[in-house]
Amino acid sequence: GEKVEQHESTLSVREGDSAVINCTYTDTASSYFPWYKQEAGKSLHFVIDIRSNVDRKQSQRLIVLLDKKAKRFSLHITATQPEDSAIYFCAASMSNYNVLYFGSGTKLTVEP
Amino acid sequence: EAAVTQSPRSKVAVTGGKVTLSCHQTNNHDYMYWYRQDTGHGLRLIHYSYVADSTEKGDIPDGYKASRPSQENFSLILELASLSQTAVYFCASSGRVITEVFFGKGTRLTVV
Repeated sequence: GEKVEQHESTLSVREGDSAVINCTYTDTASSYFPWYKQEAGKSLHFVIDIRSNVDRKQSQRLIVLLDKKAKRFSLHITATQPEDSAIYFCAASMSNYNVLYFGSGTKLTVEP
Repeated sequence: EAAVTQSPRSKVAVTGGKVTLSCHQTNNHDYMYWYRQDTGHGLRLIHYSYVADSTEKGDIPDGYKASRPSQENFSLILELASLSQTAVYFCASSGRVITEVFFGKGTRLTVV
């Protein structure tokens, strides 16, 4: 099955700087790549996703990049704020197969 | 708003005992999932279902059973709980075409 590797287990940035979280996947059939945020002690919430028919997607301060050749995708959070502090999970799914395979998570800390 | 409700929210179980975790969704979603979260491992898929009265094995099904008696309800059953099953368990649901997956608040299970 698909394996998703999340490269940074922890990441610390100063408020206002950008944060980048990188993930790689193994299965070339994967075509859907969402990101989820988990605040301390809480559940996971969807933040942004990208499908394999595009290589860039932006939603306000969040940018997702997809490099299909390298089987790599990344989440860029610009102008970080303290409320961005959380664990971020990347995931991948194959088309016609409604199962998400998750990375191990990146704990992002935004320092004032 | 999409809702996935898990019960109980926390449970202490005795080794060798039977544990049932329940999940109810009001999203009218076809797919339901049970994930397990352990520190450093992200979320790992235990079982999932895409239609009532049918369940599928995920990546780590050993020691777990699942039951989907209706579209709204999905249970995870540990027939003989073991110490290694101490974890946080998340139920989730999604539509037929995978977009956003909605997660419950999680159940913290401690096996002693």
